Amino acid sequence: EAGVTQFPSHSVIEKGQTVTLRCDPISGHDNLYWYRRVMGKEIKFLLHFVKESKQDESGMPNNRFLAERTGGTYSTLKVQPAELEDSGVYFCASSQDLTAYEQYFGPGTRLTVT
Amino acid sequence: SQQGEEDPQALSIQEGENATMNCSYKTSINNLQWYRQNSGRGLVHLILIRSNEREKHSGRLRVTLDTSKKSSSLLITASRAADTASYFCATVGGNTPLVFGKGTRLSVIA
Repeated sequence: EAGVTQFPSHSVIEKGQTVTLRCDPISGHDNLYWYRRVMGKEIKFLLHFVKESKQDESGMPNNRFLAERTGGTYSTLKVQPAELEDSGVYFCASSQDLTAYEQYFGPGTRLTVT
Repeated sequence: SQQGEEDPQALSIQEGENATMNCSYKTSINNLQWYRQNSGRGLVHLILIRSNEREKHSGRLRVTLDTSKKSSSLLITASRAADTASYFCATVGGNTPLVFGKGTRLSVIA
């Protein structure tokens, strides 16, 4: 069974540009989560989809971040315009149901904003 | 916040020794989980311990949970060079998402 995949693995962009990260969850997992780890800090929750609906987006830092999950399959996270402080590793995770608690993480996308 | 805080931030040991990492959190939880991240890789789920459990084993891993002290420990016995990674605890309370600590960077020297 394929795990959670993320694309790209690494992105380097200039301040003010736009970047779109993609996450493909494990097939059949309704729950999809985005997290990020800024250098030297803890991994922080960004948002949670249940199928195509945003269940909880309390962790989204500001309106420069837009997440979508069309059709309840893969998800994208767009940063527009990117700022220096957006640099970090963005993780995606999926789970089958909330009561399972265990989330399966992708390898992450390392975003560098210069 | 029920942020997990790992201790120590970095740990260096010889192969074959045991490694102990601690985690503290602030509010009540449903469960606590430990994850490992190898350099450049994603997070790998190691073990989950529920709030009504006190100890759990999985292979060379032993996790304890003390809800009265709001703390947990992860023990890796007979460490190997391949155990070199960052280890994170994460807590779950109700329907809240995982709340991670900053992690402990473990280096196992062959």
